[in-house]
Amino acid sequence: SYVLTQPPSVSVAPGQTARITCGGNNIGSENVYWYQQKSGQAPVLAVYYDSDRPSEIPERFSGSNSGNTATLTISRVEAGDEADYYCQVFDTSSDHPGVVFGGGTKLTVL
Amino acid sequence: QVTLRESGPALVKPTQTLTLTCTFSGFSLSTSGMCVNWIRQPPGKALEWLAVIDWDDDKYYSTSLKTRLTISKDTSKNQVVLTMTNMDPVDTATYYCARISYYDSSGYGMDVWGQGTTVTVSS
Repeated sequence: SYVLTQPPSVSVAPGQTARITCGGNNIGSENVYWYQQKSGQAPVLAVYYDSDRPSEIPERFSGSNSGNTATLTISRVEAGDEADYYCQVFDTSSDHPGVVFGGGTKLTVL
Repeated sequence: QVTLRESGPALVKPTQTLTLTCTFSGFSLSTSGMCVNWIRQPPGKALEWLAVIDWDDDKYYSTSLKTRLTISKDTSKNQVVLTMTNMDPVDTATYYCARISYYDSSGYGMDVWGQGTTVTVSS
């Protein structure tokens, strides 16, 4: 089955740019989704179709996807961005289609 | 306004069967493109997808858990039910249901989540 690999943690100072990667075999041919999960809360969809944002998500959040890596970029990081971030695809390529999540990345704002 | 709410037992014993219900409002699961997923998250660990059911009653399961899972829907009640057999302490987790509205803008993204329900497996 399809595997998505994320770094366990990323740290960044306020005002800087955070980049969270999601690796997968030829992930550039997939649609990637990103979720933000703050402590004690349910996940929230932050990016869909690689780079689109729901209206309630700040423009500081953006995504890209090419080759074997998708990236969530958070510009001008704020303390309120501290959360776990998960990437997701819908794997239609195997005999058993289904949703795949990455292992999650904890973003720490220093 | 779209909402989903999970319900079920907070505590189950090992070997028992868990039955969880997702009650939703603001959309119909008979509408083309609508899907409801179940996802779980053990304490301090990552999200794990379990199953999905769509408007056409197609069902897909996690490869690693498919022998233990059954997902079904009751469109008239706006409910999706997940059963998981042979529960074990490692199944202790928060269980979420979440919607996919494929023909809306977000594709296979889960655009609305329930608050989750915590299930502990212990004798």
